[in-house]
Amino acid sequence: GENVEQHPSTLSVQEGDSAVIKCTYSDSASNYFPWYKQELGKRPQLIIDIRSNVGEKKDQRIAVTLNKTAKHFSLHITETQPEDSAVYFCAAIGTGFQKLVFGTGTRLLVSP
Amino acid sequence: SAVISQKPSRDICQRGTSLTIQCQVDSQVTMMFWYRQQPGQSLTLIATANQGSEATYESGFVIDKFPISRPNLTFSTLTVSNMSPEDSSIYLCSVDEVEQVLSNQPQHFGDGTRLSIL
Repeated sequence: GENVEQHPSTLSVQEGDSAVIKCTYSDSASNYFPWYKQELGKRPQLIIDIRSNVGEKKDQRIAVTLNKTAKHFSLHITETQPEDSAVYFCAAIGTGFQKLVFGTGTRLLVSP
Repeated sequence: SAVISQKPSRDICQRGTSLTIQCQVDSQVTMMFWYRQQPGQSLTLIATANQGSEATYESGFVIDKFPISRPNLTFSTLTVSNMSPEDSSIYLCSVDEVEQVLSNQPQHFGDGTRLSIL
């Protein structure tokens, strides 16, 4: 089945810097890749997603890129702010209908 | 997106007991999912709850331990049976964004149930 690896596990940046989180997946049939942000004690919230028919998608300060050949996708956050501090999870639709497989998570800390 | 309500939000239970978690959605959805998030860990799919049929369980999860009901298109329950301290986790339900059975639609999560077993 699908396996998703995520790096780094922890990322510390200064406010205003950019942050990049990378994920790789194993199932070449996967074609939907969402990113979730989870603040402490709260639900995971979908922040952006990308489908396999596009290579990049942007939404204000966040963007996701997808390289199908290499089977990896990345989350880019520009001009980071303290409120971006959270755990971020990547995911991929694995074999079987709608089965989201999650990465291990990245704890992002943005220092003022 | 759909509004998802989970009850209870948290509970502390004695080992050997069982707890049923409810998930209510404000619109009809085809697919409902139950996840477990152990402390400091990622999310792991327990099972997919289908209306009118038995739930589909993932490897490592069995119906006797995690029975699921899905009586209609807006409601599901997950029971954690014969609990032990290893079952202490957050249990989350999620739903697809759309009513129809379509592939690759965004999933949205309820607030979760934080379960502690003594």
